Amino acid sequence: AQSVAQPEDQVNVAEGNPLTVKCTYSVSGNPYLFWYVQYPNRGLQFLLKYITGDNLVKGSYGFEAEFNKSQTSFHLKKPSALVSDSALYFCAGLSSGTYKYIFGTGTRLKVLA
Amino acid sequence: GAVVSQHPSWVICKSGTSVKIECRSLDFQATTMFWYRQFPKQSLMLMATSNEGSKATYEQGVEKDKFLINHASLTLSTLTVTSAHPEDSSFYICSASGTGNEKLFFGSGTQLSVL
Repeated sequence: AQSVAQPEDQVNVAEGNPLTVKCTYSVSGNPYLFWYVQYPNRGLQFLLKYITGDNLVKGSYGFEAEFNKSQTSFHLKKPSALVSDSALYFCAGLSSGTYKYIFGTGTRLKVLA
Repeated sequence: GAVVSQHPSWVICKSGTSVKIECRSLDFQATTMFWYRQFPKQSLMLMATSNEGSKATYEQGVEKDKFLINHASLTLSTLTVTSAHPEDSSFYICSASGTGNEKLFFGSGTQLSVL
């Protein structure tokens, strides 16, 4: 069965420090991978995606993610965290040729001032 | 970027009534729309996939007679929660994708509270 896993329910990081939010996937074929962010009582906002090409993908708000095929991972990173980055982050996968997303369980990021 | 408008944002209703939630793509034609349900501190659960002009495809365990989905045009899909009960209280989110576009655009969500 296809799946996307986010092993951490919550990640705490001090403002100004680098952050990493982990994601691993089990998606058939060449996966499309995404990161979305959700603020309280809001829908999801697109951050970045990997379809093909460079393994390091740069997205909105200074976030980036690295596609690692051997480790089947797509971790979200940012060099210097901001308090305003505090939110719920979802990793999602999509099998090429389909439109049925598979979402991870979400990781709550808390950036401490 | 593309915008998906979802309303209402909040709705409180009495048990037994029906509630309609609208999802509109404002600046693109949404060939496919998805409806999700999100419980507190949990991930998004796909309820159904709707394609314009055809019946929605419901996920296993989702009652199609309970959650009526209509995708009558390329810019509008509606979810009607019929005879709502307190256990239907949840956050509902729609999303849409255009032709050949793998990126989803999400509505802002609807918090449904059934008393």
